[in-house]
Amino acid sequence: SQTIHQWPATLVQPVGSPLSLECTVEGTSNPNLYWYRQAAGRGLQLLFYSVGIGQISSEVPQNLSASRPQDRQFILSSKKLLLSDSGFYLCAWRGGSSYNSPLHFGNGTRLTVT
Amino acid sequence: GIQVEQSPPDLILQEGANSTLRCNFSDSVNNLQWFHQNPWGQLINLFYIPSGTKQNGRLSATTVATERYSLLYISSSQTTDSGVYFCAVTTALILIFGQGTTLQVKP
Repeated sequence: SQTIHQWPATLVQPVGSPLSLECTVEGTSNPNLYWYRQAAGRGLQLLFYSVGIGQISSEVPQNLSASRPQDRQFILSSKKLLLSDSGFYLCAWRGGSSYNSPLHFGNGTRLTVT
Repeated sequence: GIQVEQSPPDLILQEGANSTLRCNFSDSVNNLQWFHQNPWGQLINLFYIPSGTKQNGRLSATTVATERYSLLYISSSQTTDSGVYFCAVTTALILIFGQGTTLQVKP
């Protein structure tokens, strides 16, 4: 069966420090991968999505970037964190062969920028 | 783009009560999902239901695609049902999420 791993679960970082969040998917190949962010008490904001290795689409201009170095690995990065980058970051995947497939989320990373 | 509206935004129930959550969307879709976000933040898939009716225990969902809405029914609610319920729709790569319904079930 397919599983999605996301780490770390929580992270406290000072303003101006770099960020790297990693997400991996097991049990499937060529998935569509997504990074979402959720501010406290708010809805889900799509940040990036990827349909294949090296293919990244950005939905919101911001201080963050994403990379997909391997088929089932998706990384969210920042060179210098801002206070406004605090939030709950969620990685998700869908089957890549069809749009008619459900989205599955990882457990999320709670980031606090101080 | 597609607009997704969920109602009510907040709901408080006594344990054992039933409830209906609604999701309206502005255009035809080929994918609709219901999620439950628990108090720890985990987003759990409840239903993948672009059309028709599905049931899973005390929960059931109905999507009427031609009328552009979906309903999530929770029967005999329990305190563990508390959290935020999201509806999400798409016609292509990106799922569009509603703002969610926050449910509190009191013992």
